[in-house]
Amino acid sequence: DQQVKQNSPSLSVQEGRISILNCDYTNSMFDYFLWYKKYPAEGPTFLISISSIKDKNEDGRFTVFLNKSAKHLSLHIVPSQPGDSAVYFCAAFVHANFGNEKLTFGTGTRLTIIP
Amino acid sequence: DTGVSQDPRHKITKRGQNVTFRCDPISEHNRLYWYRQTLGQGPEFLTYFQNEAQLEKSRLLSDRFSAERPKGSFSTLEIQRTEQGDSAMYLCASSLVGHNSPLHFGNGTRLTVT
Repeated sequence: DQQVKQNSPSLSVQEGRISILNCDYTNSMFDYFLWYKKYPAEGPTFLISISSIKDKNEDGRFTVFLNKSAKHLSLHIVPSQPGDSAVYFCAAFVHANFGNEKLTFGTGTRLTIIP
Repeated sequence: DTGVSQDPRHKITKRGQNVTFRCDPISEHNRLYWYRQTLGQGPEFLTYFQNEAQLEKSRLLSDRFSAERPKGSFSTLEIQRTEQGDSAMYLCASSLVGHNSPLHFGNGTRLTVT
């Protein structure tokens, strides 16, 4: 049962354009969402997060949008840079389970920025 | 930079052998997590500790797997009688209690069972 889904295994975007990565979830109990970025041979690195009480969170070139009714979130990167080429994981957890930020991850989207 | 450190980075073992991995979390972090990642999948939760107490174990963690965090600092993950299906990247992460503190991951231990 894949509770967090990233249906696009890969995405290619021209440098300077906007990258949009999508994520869907099925567990309505999830109330906190994160994006992680992973380079080869490294562990995932935290990028940005959003609580379910918000519908948007922005940090520099990165913006995460949350649509609770659709159980959908997206990560926008603008402008895209070559260093953004990596695998991006969407993750979620139930904040109400205070004491265990046990993340459920999606399968990842490999983003390639074309110079 | 004293991030999460994992040792070894790579381990090749024969089926049936026991292996042990070590994780050193960020020093002030009191939570420590183990995840497993297989090819084409995202990391899957295995178990977590708050200080030295192991508070939750996933169904993925069979009886052949055991994790410890004896003094609330470093942790070990042991796999007994390894099977080919155990081949994966084993990731350790740490965090501070509460306030949506994000997990900080190590670079993982890649296990190959032949």
